[in-house]
Formats: sequence, structure tokens, C-alpha cells
Amino acid sequence: DIQMTQSPSSLSASVGDRVTITCQASQDIRHYLNWYQQKPGKAPKLLIYDASNLETGVPSRFRGSGSGTDFTFTISSLQPEDIATYYCQQYDDLLTFGGGTKVEIK
Amino acid sequence: QVQLQESGPGLVKPSETLSLICTVSGGSMSSHYWSWIRQPAGKGLEWLGRMYITGSTNYNPSLKSRVTMSVDTSKNHFSLKLSSVTAADTAVYYCARSFTEASLDDWGQGTLVTVSS
Repeated sequence: DIQMTQSPSSLSASVGDRVTITCQASQDIRHYLNWYQQKPGKAPKLLIYDASNLETGVPSRFRGSGSGTDFTFTISSLQPEDIATYYCQQYDDLLTFGGGTKVEIK
Repeated sequence: QVQLQESGPGLVKPSETLSLICTVSGGSMSSHYWSWIRQPAGKGLEWLGRMYITGSTNYNPSLKSRVTMSVDTSKNHFSLKLSSVTAADTAVYYCARSFTEASLDDWGQGTLVTVSS
């Protein structure tokens, strides 16, 4: 089984700050990684697929990068509506989620 | 715009079987993958498994012996059965549609299932 480790588990940042979340796979998953946003009380929403491709309609302040075992998710300028928990998910071998990163406003 | 709606008992007794249905509206069930995902309160997401419209399935290895998924295209239903439940199976259960095996593209709103006597 492939394990996905996200860090940090939570963070607090100011509006306009750059926010970075990392996701590490227990083995090489090439670029087979997605990122989801889950707002409180809502279902997750796919933001980025194939490690770096933005879903249609997703603001360009969201960015994904990486390959192999190390991946990064970045919000270039945090907005109040970005308050959510973010999850990475691999699909090299079935599907596995990371533990999530809760993003709050300072 | 496709809509997915989970339904089923909100309370299940320990050792019994949890049964949920995902009703699909506004879209066809063909040429898609259908998944179940769950989320215990305050915790992360766990993918339970998926079914393709042909009937082929993939299950999470940690739950494989207890999970059964099926699809009824005539009713636009996708179902989940989880046997021998314990309190650890208490969670919000989501169904999701995928265009490929890679991502979970459209989600239901989720339904809370509590396992308790």
C-alpha cells in the first residue's frame, strides 16, 4: 500500500500570505497526484490533477508541483475563501489520501 | 449538471451490515467510475473502493473482506454494503463519480452513519 504523508497538519496565515503544503509518498508515484479542497461541512472538491494541472474554474493562485515522492501545493496569496482543509491523493496504486492540512486565517 | 445523493439508515447496530445507496440524477451512469469514500468526524478521507459500469470493482485492501459495491443502471443507483460494522465505521459516507481511475470528480453531499447499539 502507498502511504501519503502531508505536512503540516494545520497552519495559520494572514490574508495575502503565500501558503505551502507538502505531500510525500511512500514510494515513487510519478505524477499521479491530485489535490482537493474541503470546506467545513462540505464534500471535497478537486482542485489540481496530475500534480500540476488546474481544474477548470479554479483560481490561478492555486498551484501544484512535484513528481516521484515529493509534491507541493501552494496558494500564492491566501484569501478568506481559501479557509479549508486540503488533501493530496495518489492514484498510482488504487487511491490513497494524505492526512489533510487545515488552513486558517491568522 | 450531475447530482449525487447518498441515502440509507443513519444508525446501524454493531456487527450488522451498513447499506447505502447513491442516487444519480442529471447524468448517465455509463462510462464512469463510481466510488465510496468515508470520513470520521474530525478526521481525514478514506477511499473504500470503486466500481466501473461493467461491474469490475477495486476495493481498499484494508476493508476488502467487508465491502461489496454494486450498480443498478435501471434505477440510476450505486450501492455500498459494509458488513460486521463496529464503532470505528462511524463516519460521513460520500459517493463520487469519476471520468477516469485517477480522480474523484463529482461528489455527493455525504450522509452520516453512526454505529451504535
